[in-house]
Amino acid sequence: DGGITQSPKYLFRKEGQNVTLSCEQNLNHDAMYWYRQDPGQGLRLIYYSQIVNDFQKGDIAEGYSVSREKKESFPLTVTSAQKNPTAFYLCASRSEIPYEQYFGPGTRLTVT
Amino acid sequence: AQTVTQSQPEMSVQEAETVTLSCTYDTSESDYYLFWYKQPPSRQMILVIRQEAYKQQNATENRFSVNFQKAAKSFSLKISDSQLGDAAMYFCAYKGPGNTPLVFGKGTRLSVIA
Repeated sequence: DGGITQSPKYLFRKEGQNVTLSCEQNLNHDAMYWYRQDPGQGLRLIYYSQIVNDFQKGDIAEGYSVSREKKESFPLTVTSAQKNPTAFYLCASRSEIPYEQYFGPGTRLTVT
Repeated sequence: AQTVTQSQPEMSVQEAETVTLSCTYDTSESDYYLFWYKQPPSRQMILVIRQEAYKQQNATENRFSVNFQKAAKSFSLKISDSQLGDAAMYFCAYKGPGNTPLVFGKGTRLSVIA
């Protein structure tokens, strides 16, 4: 089955620790995205990548970092510099025309 | 910058009835794509329907259809014969030309009353 996987589904970390969220896709999409969603809110773009070894900051990149070493993988690191890291994180990849974007199941990160 | 506005934070509909969710957008482009996504309580984002701006015909997917008014920059979603499983957050999204990211609205929470 083609799709996007995110692991783990729930993640707990202590304040001050960096944590990496996994995102893998087998849809052969070049473009991949990371979003943050807070309770009852919409999606906010953190980082995106159009091609391997290239990525751009989204609207709320501070305190986050990414890498894109392989087409299939786009991991997101939430660093200790992120002031309010507790949130629901969604990864997505996008096809070429007609630009349909597909999402993973998300990771719920709780930092205490 | 392009913006997407969903003016109805919450809507409700009786089971088997029809409901329309509103979306307006702001763009100076002529070639773009519009989408509706559904996010049920599982929080999985699901693509509901897509509309290409160059197409005059409104897109339809089973019980879901859109009313695309390009001049008015309006893109509403109509859900017919509403079912309990339609209860979710619905997000409208705009995709401009090139490699620009999707721009999402803030969402409309739809409740379905049995």
